Amino acid sequence: EVQLVESGGGLVQPGGSLRLSCAASGFKFSSYGMSWVRQAPGKGLEWVSFISTSNIIYYGDSVKGRFTISRDNAETSLDLQMNSLRAEDTAVYYCARDWGGLIDFWGQGTLVTVSS
Amino acid sequence: ETVMTQSPATLSVSPGDRAALFCRASQSIRNKLAWYQQRPGQAPRLLIYDTSTRATGIPARFTGSGSGTEFTLTISSLQSEDFAVYYCQEYANWPPGITFGPGTKVNIK
Repeated sequence: EVQLVESGGGLVQPGGSLRLSCAASGFKFSSYGMSWVRQAPGKGLEWVSFISTSNIIYYGDSVKGRFTISRDNAETSLDLQMNSLRAEDTAVYYCARDWGGLIDFWGQGTLVTVSS
Repeated sequence: ETVMTQSPATLSVSPGDRAALFCRASQSIRNKLAWYQQRPGQAPRLLIYDTSTRATGIPARFTGSGSGTEFTLTISSLQSEDFAVYYCQEYANWPPGITFGPGTKVNIK
């Protein structure tokens, strides 16, 4: 069974940093691209970042230059380092398995709140 | 960038009735269209991909159709567990990114 379990969310002040992690299991992690997708409270879904099996990386315009995605195939984990956080980054962040742009499995999400 | 729109924003349906949800792309996305269901407090779940292929374990009452810029998700006979928000998503322009529609909320009438 595919499982994606996020951790690391919490309350952070504007301008602060936070690191999210996602523990993957139930599939061959090294064979899949992975994405982060977020959802602001009461809002829709926004793609944040993608990392391929060969570490090719893409970011959405709203996070470019502030967020860094990485993966560890040995540990089957995915990370998202978030710097210079803004109020508008407040959202539930989902770790997602990405098959050529198609998200076929989602974690349960971790809430990030940026507020003073 | 492809802009995705969905209509209606909210749909009120009685259990057992048929529901049709619409998704439009600002440019052709061929058949690279997926539908997701999100129940309250839960993560999204993949329902349909490549416009009309049901994901593993998805009941046959969910049907996807369309091509190019106009797409439809039809739920043939709504069950209580189907009341949720539905998002469409294009992946024709991947990489680098993907775009979701704003969602359609299906309410109990």
